[in-house]
Amino acid sequence: KQEVTQIPAALSVPEGENLVLNCSFTDSAIYNLQWFRQDPGKGLTSLLLIQSSQREQTSGRLNASLDKSSGRSTLYIAASQPGDSATYLCAVPGNAGGTSYGKLTFGQGTILTVHP
Amino acid sequence: KAGVTQTPRYLIKTRGQQVTLSCSPISGHRSVSWYQQTPGQGLQFLFEYFSETQRNKGNFPGRFSGRQFSNSRSEMNVSTLELGDSALYLCASSPLAGGVYEQYFGPGTRLTVT
Repeated sequence: KQEVTQIPAALSVPEGENLVLNCSFTDSAIYNLQWFRQDPGKGLTSLLLIQSSQREQTSGRLNASLDKSSGRSTLYIAASQPGDSATYLCAVPGNAGGTSYGKLTFGQGTILTVHP
Repeated sequence: KAGVTQTPRYLIKTRGQQVTLSCSPISGHRSVSWYQQTPGQGLQFLFEYFSETQRNKGNFPGRFSGRQFSNSRSEMNVSTLELGDSALYLCASSPLAGGVYEQYFGPGTRLTVT
């Protein structure tokens, strides 16, 4: 059974800092890993999808890396801003041919607060 | 393209009642998945539909059911509501088989059971 863990559970930083969010998963046979952002009471916004064959994926100030063999991914946020304050979630899908295909397993999330 | 839409956005029901939630995927997307989000359990997978067929189901009681129509719109139904069903219900769509492709989430339906 796939399990996803995110560390830290919460993070508070001053504006302008570079920061790293961590995600680990127990079953390394994944197709991809997706990072999401969730604002309070809202839906999920997809930030980055990194395929299993990729090592990194970048979008603006965000950079996600994936190390399948060690079961880890990191989300790097450069020059953080108060508008980055949100909960960040990572998720991995099940595997083709398995009963969990099509299901995303989520971590518990990291609550990020960027203060001015 | 319009994003994933969910209706209604907010709902208040009484224990024992039933409720139907609706999800319209992004145009052209054929896979729709449903998730329940609560503070204690986080995001939990309910089920996934693809081309009107349920392909995968999470570990929820039979009170939770769903369906998908030929236009890919999906509904989920919860019968005999319990207090513990209070949650944010999210649906996600993807072009083909969910999970392999990027999933796009709607704004959610906030269900409160009193």
